[in-house]
Amino acid sequence: DAKTTQPPSMDCAEGRAANLPCNHSTISGNEYVYWYRQIHSQGPQYIIHGLKNNETNEMASLIITEDRKSSTLILPHATLRDTAVYYCIVRVLSGNTPLVFGKGTRLSVIA
Amino acid sequence: DAGVTQSPTHLIKTRGQHVTLRCSPISGHKSVSWYQQVLGQGPQFIFQYYEKEERGRGNFPDRFSARQFPNYSSELNVNALLLGDSALYLCASSLSAGGIGIDYEQYFGPGTRLTVT
Repeated sequence: DAKTTQPPSMDCAEGRAANLPCNHSTISGNEYVYWYRQIHSQGPQYIIHGLKNNETNEMASLIITEDRKSSTLILPHATLRDTAVYYCIVRVLSGNTPLVFGKGTRLSVIA
Repeated sequence: DAGVTQSPTHLIKTRGQHVTLRCSPISGHKSVSWYQQVLGQGPQFIFQYYEKEERGRGNFPDRFSARQFPNYSSELNVNALLLGDSALYLCASSLSAGGIGIDYEQYFGPGTRLTVT
């Protein structure tokens, strides 16, 4: 079972920042927070991951609380192409550990 | 470079039949994983293969099997199809299987949509 809790859906105006929350209160010390997204009719796409420090890449920023029990994925300037289901996953840093997806958050970016 | 490719894109089968789904990983990728995504749910892990050996298996019945070939492509086989097997079957490839402390980004294909009637 997924170890994360996410809101089922969110709306965001185009050009504004999209902030997607995730609760992972039972996260272990060696588990990372991963984010993937799935655009309609496509396979999931990796976005970002982090352990405890905030992370930023060309797609998004990941903010992890100090107690590591929750995190927020930030899309700084959402576009219509960012409309997708966003999955928050906690897992150890290991290629041998499968991704365990929950139901994710369906983000709708509105013009 | 081509991404992960899967075939067929769609197919319809009847209960009790057998199906084979195919996946070609990104060139140079040696690890392939299979996931099942039922409508409205997130993908669920089925198998991981690396260097032709099974590295992991999810909670699926023995009707599900897979294999990986010397060119690292993979097949997923499902026997005695049930209505509940209707789903999007996703294949993901990564450079290697990794290990504790080592991870490689997984790249997903577009999936095969299986409908069982």
